[in-house]
Amino acid sequence: DAGVIQSPRHEVTEMGQEVTLRCKPISGHDYLFWYRQTMMRGLELLIYFNNNVPIDDSGMPEDRFSAKMPNASFSTLKIQPSEPRDSAVYFCASTGQGYGYTFGSGTRLTVV
Amino acid sequence: SQKIEQNSEALNIQEGKTATLTCNYTNYSPAYLQWYRQDPGRGPVFLLLIRENEKEKRKERLKVTFDTTLKQSLFHITASQPADSATYLCAYMEYGNKLVFGAGTILRVKS
Repeated sequence: DAGVIQSPRHEVTEMGQEVTLRCKPISGHDYLFWYRQTMMRGLELLIYFNNNVPIDDSGMPEDRFSAKMPNASFSTLKIQPSEPRDSAVYFCASTGQGYGYTFGSGTRLTVV
Repeated sequence: SQKIEQNSEALNIQEGKTATLTCNYTNYSPAYLQWYRQDPGRGPVFLLLIRENEKEKRKERLKVTFDTTLKQSLFHITASQPADSATYLCAYMEYGNKLVFGAGTILRVKS
């Protein structure tokens, strides 16, 4: 298995632009999570899905953030419009057993 | 509310020694705690899980303990190697499947 696959690895965008991050979870995993990591706040859970259904989005910072999971093998996290304070590393993770999450390599987002 | 606290200062040890990392929680005992390793530029990697009713769990050179009286989990790496240098994260499961991470402790093993 190739693990959790995220794209792009790096994204540099200008303030106000739309950013879309992509994730392919491990096949058979029915939980998918989006985390954000910064030096100041560490790893924060933004939203998670179970069987493609959003379960808890209380960590999504603002309405500018949205996430979808149209099928079991694909999820997106969108920021529109992006702001410099959104700069962080965004991780996607999946699990099939409720523990022992498998993380992707992350997308480093820089908003200038 | 529950908080996870890990040593913010880096732990520097000599190769061959045992590294001991601490994870303290402030409120109720979580059903289980998880430990992850994170290398620079990579996502966290799951290492071990220990349940509330388990005192100790081992995996090769790794050992985790769970003390509900002290509200603490200790993570040990025996015979440490420079390749063990990384950030180690402790995490607990909040309601549902919400995994909450501590800030992590940087471990540096010097040869």
